[in-house]
Amino acid sequence: KQEVTQIPAALSVPEGENLVLNCSFTDSAIYNLQWFRQDPGKGLTSLLLIQSSQREQTSGRLNASLDKSSGRSTLYIAASQPGDSATYLCAVPLKETSGSRLTFGEGTQLTVNP
Amino acid sequence: KAGVTQTPRYLIKTRGQQVTLSCSPISGHRSVSWYQQTPGQGLQFLFEYFSETQRNKGNFPGRFSGRQFSNSRSEMNVSTLELGDSALYLCASSLLTGQETQYFGPGTRLLVL
Repeated sequence: KQEVTQIPAALSVPEGENLVLNCSFTDSAIYNLQWFRQDPGKGLTSLLLIQSSQREQTSGRLNASLDKSSGRSTLYIAASQPGDSATYLCAVPLKETSGSRLTFGEGTQLTVNP
Repeated sequence: KAGVTQTPRYLIKTRGQQVTLSCSPISGHRSVSWYQQTPGQGLQFLFEYFSETQRNKGNFPGRFSGRQFSNSRSEMNVSTLELGDSALYLCASSLLTGQETQYFGPGTRLLVL
């Protein structure tokens, strides 16, 4: 059974700081790993999808890395802004289940203070 | 391109009632998945539909059911509501296999009294 863990559970940083969010998974047989952002009471916004064959994926100030063999992914946020405050979730689909079933981590709640 | 839409956005029901939630995927997307999000359990997979067929099912009781129509729109139904069914229900759509990016709707907030 796939288990996804995110550390830390909460993070508070001053504006402008670079930060790293961590995600680990127990079963390395994944198709990809997706990072999402969720604002309070809202749906999920897809940030980055990194395929199992990739090592990194970048979008603007965000950079996601994937080390499938060690079961880890990191989301790097450069020059953080108050608007980055949200809960960040990582999720993986298992290869053994066809289709779209995602297993999510519990999320990291990020607060960027002005 | 319009995103994933869900209706209604908010719903209040009482125990024992039933409820139907609707999800319209992004145009052209054929896979629709449903998730339940609660503070205690996080995001849990309910089921996935592809081309009107249930392709995957999570560990929820039979009170939770769903279907998909020929236009890919999906509905989920919860019968005999319990207090513990209070949650944010999210649906996600993807193009075909789910190995692509999945896009989530804004969710339906269900409160069971």
